[in-house]
Amino acid sequence: SQQGEEDPQALSIQEGENATMNCSYKTSINNLQWYRQNSGRGLVHLILIRSNEREKHSGRLRVTLDTSKKSSSLLITASRAADTASYFCATDSPANSKLTFGKGITLSVRP
Amino acid sequence: DAGVIQSPRHEVTEMGQEVTLRCKPISGHDYLFWYRQTMMRGLELLIYFNNNVPIDDSGMPEDRFSAKMPNASFSTLKIQPSEPRDSAVYFCASSPRGGREQFFGPGTRLTVL
Repeated sequence: SQQGEEDPQALSIQEGENATMNCSYKTSINNLQWYRQNSGRGLVHLILIRSNEREKHSGRLRVTLDTSKKSSSLLITASRAADTASYFCATDSPANSKLTFGKGITLSVRP
Repeated sequence: DAGVIQSPRHEVTEMGQEVTLRCKPISGHDYLFWYRQTMMRGLELLIYFNNNVPIDDSGMPEDRFSAKMPNASFSTLKIQPSEPRDSAVYFCASSPRGGREQFFGPGTRLTVL
């Protein structure tokens, strides 16, 4: 079964607005990661948050993690047209080195 | 660093043919992962290697799929014989440490007619 489940599946916003994407997972994790995929390209790592962290920032990105609810959110502030892409959360497993990816959120930022 | 290199970028073949996908990981990365991405199933891990040794191949769909890593700078994913349902984008990724940031290649788009 899918470990990470993102929602919404698709999000369309105006340039300059904030975009919030959510991810839920089922089992214990060491860390949770967010990746971006532009059309026709490979995934690019955005940010990693450890299970003992609650919030992390990187530029216009803010990630939160709530291990009690097994959920994470990715906030992109002041969105740009170039942020248009699919966004995936990925969770690891304490038992091995694998990452399990969700099915992704398609973000469209209208200029 | 050139990043993860995959070849070919596109492959069109006929059902029953053998397909070989190639990957060169980032130098110094001990982990290599092969994924398959489709609209229906999303991104699926097929197999991963640590220090050239296959660790988990539970995601390999069936015996038609095989993967090797003869040295630290090269890996192959082979499908023999190929079937139309194998059509997908296949990604290779490498990582310096397990469970951490992975660096993805550009992918190989495979179409089996």
